[in-house]
Amino acid sequence: GQQVMQIPQYQHVQEGEDFTTYCNSSTTLSNIQWYKQRPGGHPVFLIQLVKSGEVKKQKRLTFQFGEAKKNSSLHITATQTTDVGTYFCARTGAGSYQLTFGKGTKLSVIP
Amino acid sequence: DAEITQSPRHKITETGRQVTLACHQTWNHNNMFWYRQDLGHGLRLIHYSYGVQDTNKGEVSDGYSVSRSNTEDLPLTLESAASSQTSVYFCASSPGTAQERQYFGPGTRLLVL
Repeated sequence: GQQVMQIPQYQHVQEGEDFTTYCNSSTTLSNIQWYKQRPGGHPVFLIQLVKSGEVKKQKRLTFQFGEAKKNSSLHITATQTTDVGTYFCARTGAGSYQLTFGKGTKLSVIP
Repeated sequence: DAEITQSPRHKITETGRQVTLACHQTWNHNNMFWYRQDLGHGLRLIHYSYGVQDTNKGEVSDGYSVSRSNTEDLPLTLESAASSQTSVYFCASSPGTAQERQYFGPGTRLLVL
């Protein structure tokens, strides 16, 4: 259906290690959005990917959209304690403003 | 500065009581959304509105209702609170001009005893 599967559910890394979370769909995505939620906070928009094969960078964060527009990834280089939180991907329906969220990947960073 | 606020931030109620959670945004956004967040389920859409007098059911709408009498507010009502409705509730808004980002409120933690 319209779900997006996100893996892994949890990830514990040492500070300085890299981190990647993946978002997969069985159907073609019109676009994909990524959000970050700090512990005790609310989701905050990070980025939207629209084009097949698109790659966008925000400092240490690299976002990719698959060529078939059925998967996406978020990669963090050299994690810092400020990266702690849950990262969600979300898809929009065609011609719709609704978002369907993945269940998120909770990142813990060990100092 | 424009913002989106929710009240109360924390609420404890008893089963069977009616509860209303407020959401107010000052961005003049057309679209407003209510989500609940539970461990293991992520964010699930309860109801949404694309404008005044417009309301629609989301994935988990049973036991909830909304009304949109103006652009700024979308209150969420739990008609008869149940323990299964213990959750964190987030309101969000978006301009409604394209498939764009959503802006989330700070959330309301609701405990139903």
